[in-house]
Amino acid sequence: EMVLTQSPGSLSLSPGDTATLSCRASQSVSDVYSAWYQQKPGQAPRLLIYRASRRATGIPDRFSGSGSGPDFTLTISRLEPEDFAVYFCQQYGNSRITFGQGTRLEIK
Amino acid sequence: EVQLVESGGGLIQPGGSLRLSCAASGFSVTTHYLNWVRQAPGKGLEWISVIYTSGDTFYADSVRGRFSFSRDNSKNTVYLQMNRLTVDDTAVYYCASVPQWEWPSLDTWGQGTLVTVSS
Repeated sequence: EMVLTQSPGSLSLSPGDTATLSCRASQSVSDVYSAWYQQKPGQAPRLLIYRASRRATGIPDRFSGSGSGPDFTLTISRLEPEDFAVYFCQQYGNSRITFGQGTRLEIK
Repeated sequence: EVQLVESGGGLIQPGGSLRLSCAASGFSVTTHYLNWVRQAPGKGLEWISVIYTSGDTFYADSVRGRFSFSRDNSKNTVYLQMNRLTVDDTAVYYCASVPQWEWPSLDTWGQGTLVTVSS
């Protein structure tokens, strides 16, 4: 069973800072299957990054993804107030999707 | 506009059954992979099932044998039949889709429907 470990569990930063969120898979994975989501309170998740580094439609270029198995990174540059949310990474294998436990990005 | 609308959630006793619906608009369920993802209160996301364009279905270990995913092409709607529910199944259930060629990232999500399993 694949396990995704996100770090840090929470991150306190100020608007204008750069956030670096990490995701490590417990087994060999393909970057083709790597994605990142943002979720705000009371809302459904929103796809930010797919195939490790491609931005989804409408996602600002402040968001960037990188990495290859087993380590993937989401970088958010020039943090805006609306970026403070929970972020989940995702992988796929054995016909199943797995999510990380999430990183909470908080305003300092 | 591409949209998913879930319905069917509610309060159910342990051991009971419930069927969730997810109505799609703006695209055909026959060209997309439809998924169910749930989120227990205050917890993270848990993928539970997918139905491929072929009709093949796959399930997370936590629900296999109890939940069943089906599709009605004529109604452009998918369903999640949930049986033998336990308190651990309490969650917001999201329907999420992606075009087959963009699998496995989930680019469209519904607003979710809350299922509460309690006596």
